[in-house]
Amino acid sequence: NAGVMQNPRHLVRRRGQEARLRCSPMKGHSHVYWYRQLPEEGLKFMVYLQKENIIDESGMPKERFSAEFPKEGPSILRIQQVVRGDSAAYFCASSPRRVQSPLHFGNGTRLTVT
Amino acid sequence: GQQLNQSPQSMFIQEGEDVSMNCTSSSIFNTWLWYKQDPGEGPVLLIALYKAGELTSNGRLTAQFGITRKDSFLNISASIPSDVGIYFCAGQGDSGGGADGLTFGKGTHLIIQP
Repeated sequence: NAGVMQNPRHLVRRRGQEARLRCSPMKGHSHVYWYRQLPEEGLKFMVYLQKENIIDESGMPKERFSAEFPKEGPSILRIQQVVRGDSAAYFCASSPRRVQSPLHFGNGTRLTVT
Repeated sequence: GQQLNQSPQSMFIQEGEDVSMNCTSSSIFNTWLWYKQDPGEGPVLLIALYKAGELTSNGRLTAQFGITRKDSFLNISASIPSDVGIYFCAGQGDSGGGADGLTFGKGTHLIIQP
């Protein structure tokens, strides 16, 4: 049973470029969450999606960041015109239902903006 | 968003010693979770707690969901070298984690001295 799969594991972008981070949830999981982690910090919630719907994006910056979870294919976190402050580890988590359901995390994408 | 107060920030212990860490919040959570994160990896779920007062064990790990629903602790008995890592508490519910996402503590670094 494959876990949550994220790719790429490492991504280097120059300032102003776009970053696309992919997440395939565990089989049978239709709820996807994205978190950001800075060094020496806990994970900060960004966005919660179900298939084709954004349920809560209260943790996502209003500009340059977007997320989707299409009917077919992985969830995508997209960061346009990246800046140095976007450098962080981005983790995706999935669960089979909304309540009383622990989140299972992928191994993250480490984004470095040069 | 709200953060949990997790303590201690770091622990230096001898192999074989018992470990205790805790998390407190000013708000109520419906679920408490404990995760362990190794360098370069995603958080791995250790224990999930769903009821106030619940005490749950997983091998040498024991965790409790505080009766007020505002705190939780994690104990590790007879520590071994592979226990080294960062332990995170996480609350799930209405407190800023985003539609049943998680609010994380800042982590406890566990270091085991030979």
